[in-house]
Formats: sequence, C-alpha cells, structure tokens
Amino acid sequence: DAGVIQSPRHEVTEMGQEVTLRCKPISGHDYLFWYRQTMMRGLELLIYFNNNVPIDDSGMPEDRFSAKMPNASFSTLKIQPSEPRDSAVYFCASSFPGTGELFFGEGSRLTVL
Amino acid sequence: DQQVKQNSPSLSVQEGRISILNCDYTNSMFDYFLWYKKYPAEGPTFLISISSIKDKNEDGRFTVFLNKSAKHLSLHIVPSQPGDSAVYFCAASSGTYKYIFGTGTRLKVLA
Repeated sequence: DAGVIQSPRHEVTEMGQEVTLRCKPISGHDYLFWYRQTMMRGLELLIYFNNNVPIDDSGMPEDRFSAKMPNASFSTLKIQPSEPRDSAVYFCASSFPGTGELFFGEGSRLTVL
Repeated sequence: DQQVKQNSPSLSVQEGRISILNCDYTNSMFDYFLWYKKYPAEGPTFLISISSIKDKNEDGRFTVFLNKSAKHLSLHIVPSQPGDSAVYFCAASSGTYKYIFGTGTRLKVLA
C-alpha cells in the first residue's frame, strides 16, 4: 500500500496568496483528518471527514481556511488569503473504522513570507 | 485550552536505560489513548494504544500505563535504543474519531 500521499511537500508563498494542499488517503479508509503542527500547539486537529462528509470542523482557525473531500480518494485544504502565522507543517491522515489508528502522510511544510 | 498536555518538551536518556514519557489530560470523557512517534521530515507513526478499561498495555519494549483517577498516562521504553530518538506525541479521544494530540516530547537516547 502506498500510504497517505500529500502534496506539495514544501510550499513557500507570499502573504495574501492562495495555498492549496492536497491529500490522497489510503484506499479503503473512510476517515480523513487534517492536522497542523506548530511548536506551541503541537498537532492541532483542523477538520475530519467520514465517507467524504465533514464531521467536525471546529478546529479550522478562520474563514480563510476551507477543506473539501469531493471523493473517497482526494481531499484539499485551502487557505485564502494566506498569512505568515499560517506557516506550519500540515498533515493529512486516514483511518479505517475500528482500528483506532491514524495513518499520517509525510506532511506539507508551508512557509508564508 | 490544551486538553492533552505533555509538560516535558525534551528528555535525554542513556542507551539501555528506561525512558519515561508523561502525558496528562483534562477531559474525563476521554476513553482511548494512543502514542505516536515522529522522526524529522516524516509523519507520525502509531506506536501503542490503551483503552480506559485497562491500566496497562505492553508491546515489546513499549508499555503504556493509564491512571484514570489522576488523568495521567505514561509511556515506558525499556531498554532505550538510539533509534528511539524522536518526538513522541500522546493523543486521546472520547468515543469518536476526534483525536486530540499533545505538544510532543523530544526524546534523545545517548549512545
């Protein structure tokens, strides 16, 4: 199995630009999660989906953040407009019900100048 | 408000000795706990878990202890190896798939 695939691995952009992060979960996993890692807050849950439907988006920091899952094999996290404080590593993870285990991708490191 | 806290940002241990990583939580509804290990430039990987109906779970060199009354869990690594050097995250959930993670503890095992 290829594992959770995220792209891009690194993104450097300027303040005000739109950023789109992408995720392909493991085939057969019907839960998908977006996390953000910062030094101060560790791994923060932003949003998670079940069967492509958003279940809890209470961690999404502001309206500038949005996430979609148009089908079982693809999800995006969009930031528009981006700000320097959005700089972090964004992780996507997927899970199969009953296992209690999340499988993480390698992350997308975002730097907003 | 951090519901899952790892108060030690870093820990150094000699190879062969025991590593003890601690985690505290505030939400008494949490009933499932996990530990993840993260190497630089990689995603976290699952290490071990424990349900609230147990107070101990063991997997090889790794043991997790849960003290529900103190809302505290710990991960013991015995014996510690240089390859165990990584950042360790604890996580908790309350009957849902909403996993709340701590801030992590960086473990360094000295050869």
